[in-house]
Amino acid sequence: EVQLLDSGGGLVQPGGSLRLSCAASGFTFSSYGMSWVRQAPGKGLEWVSSSSPDGVYYADSAKGRFIISRDNSKNTLYLQMDSLRADDTAVYYCVKGAGTSVFDLWGQGTKVTVSS
Amino acid sequence: EIVLTQSPSTLSLSPGERATLSCRASQSVSSYLAWFQQKPGQAPRLLIYDTSKRATGIPARFSGSGSGTDFTLTISSLEPEDFAVYYCQQRSNWPLTFGGGTKVEIK
Repeated sequence: EVQLLDSGGGLVQPGGSLRLSCAASGFTFSSYGMSWVRQAPGKGLEWVSSSSPDGVYYADSAKGRFIISRDNSKNTLYLQMDSLRADDTAVYYCVKGAGTSVFDLWGQGTKVTVSS
Repeated sequence: EIVLTQSPSTLSLSPGERATLSCRASQSVSSYLAWFQQKPGQAPRLLIYDTSKRATGIPARFSGSGSGTDFTLTISSLEPEDFAVYYCQQRSNWPLTFGGGTKVEIK
């Protein structure tokens, strides 16, 4: 079955860190760009970062604080999030696709809450 | 950054009616415009990509059109399961951006 399983979310204090993971199955993971998209409570969708064949890209809100990486041997995408702020509170979705390919498969999302 | 503006923000319609959703880009995105549907508590689902191509398994009542800066998602006859929020998204330029969404609600 083609799917993405997001994990790693939770409650973290402001200034803290969290690492999200996304386990992919059912397709050739190494052949595709992969991304993270988030959705704050009651808000719309916001692109966060992509690992694309031509490089890695970040939204301004993520630059300098988040790092996207992937382990193609484990079919897993990661998002290391440091210096977390209250406005990073959101559901984070792992998505198959990047600038060169469409967002055609979404994980179920993992919830991140930044609060003291 | 390319800003995508969706209109209207809310569309109140009855089952069986036609829905027309608009997405306007602040600069040309060529044909690299996609539409997603999101229901409460669920992840978004790809409906249309590259302006007019239906994703796998998407019913023919969903269609997309447009080019450059003006795009439209049309649902020819609303089914009960179509009441949801719809987002457009461009992949022409970094950063990738989404529109603010249009909620299609039951009248």
